[in-house]
Amino acid sequence: DIQMSQSPSSLSASIGDRVTITCRASQNIINSLNWYQQKPGKAPRLLIFAASRLQAGVPSRFSGSGSGTAFTLTINSLQPEDFATYHCQQTYTTPLYTFGQGTKLEIK
Amino acid sequence: EVQLAQSGGGLVQPGGSLRLSCVASGFNFNSFGLNWVRQAPGKGLEWISYISGSRSAIFYADSVKGRFTVSRDNAQNSLYLQMDTLRAEDTAIYYCARDELIAGSLPGLDSWGQGVLVTVSS
Repeated sequence: DIQMSQSPSSLSASIGDRVTITCRASQNIINSLNWYQQKPGKAPRLLIFAASRLQAGVPSRFSGSGSGTAFTLTINSLQPEDFATYHCQQTYTTPLYTFGQGTKLEIK
Repeated sequence: EVQLAQSGGGLVQPGGSLRLSCVASGFNFNSFGLNWVRQAPGKGLEWISYISGSRSAIFYADSVKGRFTVSRDNAQNSLYLQMDTLRAEDTAIYYCARDELIAGSLPGLDSWGQGVLVTVSS
């Protein structure tokens, strides 16, 4: 099974900051990596698919990069609505998906 | 507008059973695979099951294999999860999610139900 790990588990940032979240896979998954945003009490929302492609309607301040086993989600110029939990998901073994443990982004 | 409306959560004793439902609207239901994903309190997301549009492909996570059964009724635009022999560790919010092939070939869970809470406790 492919294991996914995210770091950090949580981080604090201020409005306007640039933040980066890392996701690592236990084996090479090429670019089969999605990112989701989840707000408290809500279902996850797909942000980025295939490591770097922005889902329709997602603001351009979100970006993804990486390949192989290491991936990053970057949010430029944090907005109040960006404070949420972010999850990575490997789709290499679709549809047997695996998610990371999540990264909670909080306001400093 | 794509919508997935869930029902069926609740409190159940260990060893008991529960059936979750997910009714879809706004898209050609039988053309899409569907997933169940759960989230234990304060934890990350866990994929637990997938069923293809034609029901020809069904998969389960090891954590629920042999205890949970996924099914769908394409005439009723409905997805189900029959959960048997429930354990305390099955306590979670359960989501149904549509499996989309974005740009024709890139998988992603692009639409989700609102989630229902299943609590397994005596």
